[in-house]
Amino acid sequence: QVQLQESGPGLVKPSQTLSLTCTVSGGSISSGGYYWSWIRQHPGKGLEWIGYIYYSGSTYYNPSLKSRVTISVDTSKNQFSLKLSSVTAADTAVYYCARAEVYGESRWFDYWGQGTLVTVSS
Amino acid sequence: SYVLTQPPSVSVAPGKTARITCGGNNIGSKSVHWYQQKPGQAPVLVIYYDSDRPSGIPERFSGSNSGNTATLTISRVEAGDEADYYCQVWDSSSDHPGYVFGTGTKVTVL
Repeated sequence: QVQLQESGPGLVKPSQTLSLTCTVSGGSISSGGYYWSWIRQHPGKGLEWIGYIYYSGSTYYNPSLKSRVTISVDTSKNQFSLKLSSVTAADTAVYYCARAEVYGESRWFDYWGQGTLVTVSS
Repeated sequence: SYVLTQPPSVSVAPGKTARITCGGNNIGSKSVHWYQQKPGQAPVLVIYYDSDRPSGIPERFSGSNSGNTATLTISRVEAGDEADYYCQVWDSSSDHPGYVFGTGTKVTVL
């Protein structure tokens, strides 16, 4: 059973960089075949996809966040990470990491982390 | 960008059938996936590839997709089905492909 667990600071000051790590257990990022994603949910709101990384290191980001987002992978630790720069209060949200299954043009998230609340405040 | 529209809320009595719609332009040409999210919890995949159920998801959950509307159907609704439900597609049709989520539907069991 694949499990994902987010970790990182729960409080970030405005204009600073939000950094989170997702640790994967029960499966290897290096095995390929999946896209490892970050998704966020503003309080009381819907889901917003941030971006994904493949085990090879190739990335793809939501255009609305692309200028501030960096996702990286450390296959030796079976982890992938999110950095979001120049944060404001609008970046306050629960951040999830998730694994995306791919079948042709179809992609869905089959495993999710429990989520971590990040608050942007001075 | 591609937009998925869901009704904000659906109310259903126990034992009855709930139908949650997800509207999108020619959504029938895409694969639709559905997630259940209970308060304070991460989303859980309940339907993928329009109508397939992951292991562990009850047969009461089913999905369909045609034209401009995809539908998640919950039969014999139970109190434990009360949650928010989101549809999702991978939109490769635009200049900027990406994962798109629906606006979400809160299902209330009366």
